[in-house]
Amino acid sequence: EVVLTQSPGTLSLSPGQRAALSCRASQSLGSSDLAWYQQKPGQAPRLLIYDTSTRATGIPDRFSGSGSGTDFTLTIRRLEPEDFAVYYCQQYGSSSLTFGGGTKVEIK
Amino acid sequence: QLQLQESGPGLVKTSETLSLNCTASLGSIDTNSYYWGWIRQTPGKGLEWIGSIYYGGNTFYNPSLKSRVSLSVDTSKNQFSLRLNSVTGADTAVYYCARHTYLVSFGGAIVVRWFDSWGLGTLVTVSS
Repeated sequence: EVVLTQSPGTLSLSPGQRAALSCRASQSLGSSDLAWYQQKPGQAPRLLIYDTSTRATGIPDRFSGSGSGTDFTLTIRRLEPEDFAVYYCQQYGSSSLTFGGGTKVEIK
Repeated sequence: QLQLQESGPGLVKTSETLSLNCTASLGSIDTNSYYWGWIRQTPGKGLEWIGSIYYGGNTFYNPSLKSRVSLSVDTSKNQFSLRLNSVTGADTAVYYCARHTYLVSFGGAIVVRWFDSWGLGTLVTVSS
């Protein structure tokens, strides 16, 4: 099973600041088999990014994804009030899909 | 836009079987474009993929749950279902159904990928 480790656990930032969230895989994912989701309290996760860097439909361009191999990053260029949430990565490079433990982006 | 809705008992007794349905609206599960998946979420283990099913019946399961899980699909009801047997308190979670993208590799293998549409989720508590 591929273990995904997300860091930091919590990121305290102010609106307008840049956020960089890390997702590290226990083994190489090969090409670009990683997705990112956003989850707000009481809601289901929402797909933000797939194939490491492709934004899902309707996702603002302040969200971007990068990385390869075992190290991946979700960057939020300028935080908007609605971006404060928990973010999860998910890999599909192995037949057993796994999620990271999440990074909470909170208002400082 | 596709909507998914989970339904089923919110309380299941220890050692019994958890059964949930997911009904799709504003879209059909009878499509060759997607698989249909189940994911659960607990405070302790976070998000955990349970398994995924194609409308034709092909399935993929999380190896850690495979011995206890069964997925099925009923295209006449536009619905797919989860059964998890021999439940314990560790199975207490919010259960989500979701639409699951996939591709066919050059070798012909099915590769399930990301989840692009989720249900609202339903809390299932396991208790004696």
